[in-house]
Amino acid sequence: DIQMTQSPSSLSASVGDRVTITCQASQDINNYLNWYQQKPGKAPKLLIYDASNLETGVPSRFSGSGSGTDFTFTISSLQPEDIATYYCQQYDNLPYSFGQGTKLEIK
Amino acid sequence: QVQLVQSGTEVKKPGASVKVSCKASGYTFLSYGISWVRQAPGQGLEWMGRISAYNGNTNYAQKLRGRVTMTTDASTNTAYMELRSLRSDDTAVYYCARDGRPYSNSWHDYWGQGTLVTVSS
Repeated sequence: DIQMTQSPSSLSASVGDRVTITCQASQDINNYLNWYQQKPGKAPKLLIYDASNLETGVPSRFSGSGSGTDFTFTISSLQPEDIATYYCQQYDNLPYSFGQGTKLEIK
Repeated sequence: QVQLVQSGTEVKKPGASVKVSCKASGYTFLSYGISWVRQAPGQGLEWMGRISAYNGNTNYAQKLRGRVTMTTDASTNTAYMELRSLRSDDTAVYYCARDGRPYSNSWHDYWGQGTLVTVSS
């Protein structure tokens, strides 16, 4: 199985800050990497698919990059409504594993 | 608009089975696969498996193989996930999620609201 390692596991930042989360796959996943946002008590929401494609309707302050095994998720200017847990997920190989999540808080 | 509406909260005893439904609307049901993802209390997301609504092909996570069955009913645009021999560590919120691309494994663009399954004696 492919292991997805996210870092950090938690992060505290101020409104307006640039926030970066990384996700490392245990093997090459051919850019089949997605990013989701989950708020407490809610279903996950797709933000980025195939490493760098912004889902329709998602604000442009969210972006993704990377290839092979190393991927980055960025919020260019943190907003209060971005407080959530963020997960990466690979779908190159079964099972389609998730990272352990990054909990983002406002400083 | 695309919607996935799941069945309600379940409380089961250890050893029992549970069957969660996921009723789809707003798109051509047969064109998109459905995955099931669960989340134990305070924990992360765990992908359980996927079913192609087109041909019924399934892929299950190794740890659940033998206990889980995913099916679809095209007459009612509904996907089902049955989990048998329930244990306390199966207590979780269970989500269905639609593939983002037709006829292909991909990201999950629409999610159900989640179904809480509690396993307790």
